Formats: sequence, structure tokens, C-alpha cells
Amino acid sequence: GAVVSQHPSRVICKSGTSVKIECRSLDFQATTMFWYRQFPKKSLMLMATSNEGSKATYEQGVEKDKFLINHASLTLSTLTVTSAHPEDSSFYICSARGTSGRAGTTDTQYFGPGTRLTVL
Amino acid sequence: GEDVEQSLFLSVREGDSSVINCTYTDSSSTYLYWYKQEPGAGLQLLTYIFSNMDMKQDQRLTVLLNKKDKHLSLRIADTQTGDSAIYFCAESTLSSGAGSYQLTFGKGTKLSVIP
Repeated sequence: GAVVSQHPSRVICKSGTSVKIECRSLDFQATTMFWYRQFPKKSLMLMATSNEGSKATYEQGVEKDKFLINHASLTLSTLTVTSAHPEDSSFYICSARGTSGRAGTTDTQYFGPGTRLTVL
Repeated sequence: GEDVEQSLFLSVREGDSSVINCTYTDSSSTYLYWYKQEPGAGLQLLTYIFSNMDMKQDQRLTVLLNKKDKHLSLRIADTQTGDSAIYFCAESTLSSGAGSYQLTFGKGTKLSVIP
């Protein structure tokens, strides 16, 4: 199957600093990438959807100035949490979707391993 | 709006079959997915089923879809301790905001396998 990586896997930062998380599709071109946030014992909450070369579409309630998303290439998207606060501590997961050429997969999202962010 | 419901917990004995159930509300869903999440890890795609199919089998996994009742199930045969994880059901729906298909997830079912 398709492989999506995230970096870093875990980050601890001080309140007020900014943190950048990278999401890469390793063996396919991701026309669309998604960023999710997962709270403990909760489902995944979609934060934003980004298409390569376009501005991201943010879900209601997600601050676009706080969570900056850049999808500059077909294999890389970044999420920057600006001026992080303890309430931003969470598990952030990206996923990518692209055309692999196999029937039934153009609509399939593949997920990265997640990034655990802890803001002190 | 879209809503995907799952029971939160399931406990089975090693070697037995596990059945995880899911209900969804959007009848226009094209694909339905099952993902597995192990502790501290991301989501691993297990299997998916197209909405015009009733059943899909892949080794120990069997997916049943009742489109009339909007009910999806995942059966794991001969459940092993390595199957202990959280299983998410997800439906693919068209988002008017983003203009593309997006996934709506259930809250996940935590499967515990007793040795």
C-alpha cells in the first residue's frame, strides 16, 4: 500500500513557540492532503484539507492563522502550529490521497503515523 | 449531516471471531473503510468496500454492508492478541466546503483480545 510519513513523531515545546510538522507521501503523488487532530479516546477531527498549490480549506472552528498549512508539492504538506499553548497539545495525523492508477483507490486516504505534540 | 456510530468497546477470547459494527447516515457514501490504530500510532487502512457491494473478504477479514439499513460490519476470524487495537469505521462523503471527498470517522471500537 501507499506510504505516508510524518516528522517529527514526537515534539515537546514551550508555550508561545511555533512547531512545524511535515507530512510526506513516499511512493505516490498526493493531490490532496488532510490534517486531523485526535484527542484521547476521541475520534479524528478533520482540521483542514489542502490541494497542491492551493490554499487550504479549514473546517469550522479551526483557526487558520494559528494552524498554517502549506502544500507546496505533490509529496509534501506542512502544518505549523503558531504560538502554541498547552491546549494545542494533541496527536496530529496527516493523510494523503492521490491517483495510484488502481481501481477503487482514487478515493482512498492513507495515513501517516502521527505526531504527538506536547506544549509545556 | 454525516454521523458514524460505533460501539466503543469489544472484548473477545483469542481464537474466537470478532464482529465490529458501524452505522452511518449518509446514503450517498461511495466507499466505506475500516482502519486500525494501534497505541501511539497512526491509522492503518485494513480494507474498504464500494457502496454497491454487499460483502468483501480478505483473508481473516470479512466486511458486510447493508446499504438499506446503512450498516457496516467487520468480522475478524480467529482473533489474535495482535489484533488488539482501536478500529475506526469511516465513510467517504462529498464535502461541499472543500469540493472533494472527505472521510467521516466513527469514534472507534477498542478491541481487547483475551489470551
